[in-house]
Amino acid sequence: TQLLEQSPQFLSIQEGENLTVYCNSSSVFSSLQWYRQEPGEGPVLLVTVVTGGEVKKLKRLTFQFGDARKDSSLHITAAQTGDTGLYLCAGVLGGSQGNLIFGKGTKLSVKP
Amino acid sequence: DSGVTQTPKHLITATGQRVTLRCSPRSGDLSVYWYQQSLDQGLQFLIQYYNGEERAKGNILERFSAQQFPDLHSELNLSSLELGDSALYFCASSVVEHRGRGYTFGSGTRLTVV
Repeated sequence: TQLLEQSPQFLSIQEGENLTVYCNSSSVFSSLQWYRQEPGEGPVLLVTVVTGGEVKKLKRLTFQFGDARKDSSLHITAAQTGDTGLYLCAGVLGGSQGNLIFGKGTKLSVKP
Repeated sequence: DSGVTQTPKHLITATGQRVTLRCSPRSGDLSVYWYQQSLDQGLQFLIQYYNGEERAKGNILERFSAQQFPDLHSELNLSSLELGDSALYFCASSVVEHRGRGYTFGSGTRLTVV
C-alpha cells in the first residue's frame, strides 16, 4: 500500500496549457515536499510546505498543502516544454522523525 | 551539479556478484540517505547515516549494507546480486538530521544485473 498516492500517473499536454497534479494520503504529514526529476538525474527539491492550508508560489508553479495536512497539489500555469519531467511528492509522517516517504510520481510531458 | 557525487554512474554485473556504490555528500552535510528507485516501486528508502552513525533503516535487504566514513562519504555494498536488484540507486544528503528539511540528491548509479 502506497502511503502517498499521486495522480494522474501520466499527463501529456500542449505547451501553454494549465495543469494540476495531486498527492493524497489518509495519513497526516508534518511536512510535504515536491521534487522534479529528469531522466538520468536525481530528484531536485522544488518546495517544502509545513502548515495546513499553506500556499507557495515558485514562478508559474503553485503548491498547496491541504488544511488537514493529508494532501497537496501542484498547479502549473502556461506549461512550457522545460516543465517536462517526473514530479514527486514526499512527506514526513506527523509526530515522527521518520524518513521521507515518496509517492510514485506523475510523469508530465509538455509538447511544443 | 547538486554537490552530491555518486560513482560509478553505470554498473553492469552478473548475478551472484558484489558491488560497492560510493557517495560523497554535499559539503557541510552530515546526513546521508540511500534510496532505490525502480519502475514499479518508485523511490524506496534503504538506510540513513548521520555523522558516521546509522540512524534509520528502511526496506534494506540483508544482502545490502552501508557505512559512512569519518570524511562523511558513504558506501552502499550490495552482495549476492539478483536480477531484481537492477535499479537506480540514489544517495541524498542534508545538513541536519530532521527529514523535513529537504534532501539534495546525487545523479544516481544505474545498476544492471545480468
